[in-house]
Amino acid sequence: EPEVTQTPSHQVTQMGQEVILRCVPISNHLYFYWYRQILGQKVEFLVSFYNNEISEKSEIFDDQFSVERPDGSNFTLKIRSTKLEDSAMYFCASGEGRETQYFGPGTRLLVL
Amino acid sequence: KQEVTQIPAALSVPEGENLVLNCSFTDSAIYNLQWFRQDPGKGLTSLLLIQSSQREQTSGRLNASLDKSSGRSTLYIAASQPGDSATYLCAVRQGLGNFNKFYFGSGTKLNVKP
Repeated sequence: EPEVTQTPSHQVTQMGQEVILRCVPISNHLYFYWYRQILGQKVEFLVSFYNNEISEKSEIFDDQFSVERPDGSNFTLKIRSTKLEDSAMYFCASGEGRETQYFGPGTRLLVL
Repeated sequence: KQEVTQIPAALSVPEGENLVLNCSFTDSAIYNLQWFRQDPGKGLTSLLLIQSSQREQTSGRLNASLDKSSGRSTLYIAASQPGDSATYLCAVRQGLGNFNKFYFGSGTKLNVKP
């Protein structure tokens, strides 16, 4: 059964460094999303992406964040200058339409 | 801003019991509501999706209802099993067309004892 994959599973970085989180959505899906979940807190929506552009973003998704679909298969989330409070589990999701989303297993990011 | 609340925060039941998880939301202008399951350290698995025009959805032992006007949804699990132990999240989707925002509850952590 097709599934969303994410790499790396864990990443440790120093504050101020750039990180790129990678996702491979399910191949025929057209809608892509990033979420984060700080330990012990709610899952928070970051951004949705359709037709090669951002369709919606939350207040969390500020200028430090960017998304890209560089090659038609990968979907990346870049954090330009990480802060301690960026430590979280980051989930990618994709959907064939605007209905059910399929989530990846997540990348646990730790900023030191 | 939409706020999604789930009660109880945690629930422990013996195997075989029927149970109900609750979700409430403050803004009834939703596109749909979805129930997810999250296992420790893992991603989310979609269980049921209810469109704003629907009242309920069923899948196997799971039944989800939606009362949009009162801002409530329930997830009913029949004949619970130890394998049902997980955190259950509800999420609402708002927006039109390709513009959507998603709001999650904090979840109900379910433990089904053998």
